[in-house]
Amino acid sequence: AQTVTQSQPEMSVQEAETVTLSCTYDTSESDYYLFWYKQPPSRQMILVIRQEAYKQQNATENRFSVNFQKAAKSFSLKISDSQLGDAAMYFCASGAGNQFYFGTGTSLTVIP
Amino acid sequence: DVKVTQSSRYLVKRTGEKVFLECVQDMDHENMFWYRQDPGLGLRLIYFSYDVKMKEKGDIPEGYSVSREKKERFSLILESASTNQTSMYLCASSSHRDPRKDLRTDTQYFGPGTRLTVL
Repeated sequence: AQTVTQSQPEMSVQEAETVTLSCTYDTSESDYYLFWYKQPPSRQMILVIRQEAYKQQNATENRFSVNFQKAAKSFSLKISDSQLGDAAMYFCASGAGNQFYFGTGTSLTVIP
Repeated sequence: DVKVTQSSRYLVKRTGEKVFLECVQDMDHENMFWYRQDPGLGLRLIYFSYDVKMKEKGDIPEGYSVSREKKERFSLILESASTNQTSMYLCASSSHRDPRKDLRTDTQYFGPGTRLTVL
C-alpha cells in the first residue's frame, strides 16, 4: 500500500519570506514519482513540480524547490520569496506501479 | 496551453436524480480522470479512461459510472444521486508516454471543478 501524508493542514508565511511545506510518503516500489500540485482559490489545480525518485538532484522550478530525502521518504516543498499569488492549497502526490495517491493538502496563506 | 473544461462550476440536484458531469480537453490526451475532492481527504480517484470506450475503476467507483465515446470528452454519471455525493468533482487529463508506468505519473491537467450539492 502507498500513503502520502501532509501533516500541516494550514501554514502561513509573510510576503517575501520562505516557507517549507512537508510531505512524507510510504511506498515499497523502487521506481516512483513525486509531485506537488497547487490549487488556488476558485482556480484550476496546476502542477508545481515533479521529481523522479531515481534522480538524486532535487527538482527546482523558479522560486519553488524540493528537498527530496529518499531514505527518509520525505518530499518537502520550499517556496522562496513568497508572493500573494502563492496563496493556495498545495497537494503532495506519489505515483508508483499502478497506484497513485494525493495527500490531504496544506492550505497556505500569504500575509502582506 | 492545455485546456480542460467542465460543464458546470456549480450544480444543485435532488436525491435520486440522475446527474451528468461532463469534461472536455482540447489537447488530444489519451488519458482522462475523474476525482472527488473532500476536505481532509484530498483527491480520490473515481474512474479513469486510457482510450475511447475504455474505462477503469479508481479507488471509489461505487455509485458512479463513466462514459468516453469521444477522445476529448469524459462524462461522469451519478445514476441516482445521494447526499453523500455532495462534493467537488475534478476532471483531469494527461498524455501518457511510458506504458510501463501508471497513467498518473505524467503531468495531469485539471479542469476548474464542479461543486455538486445533492439535497
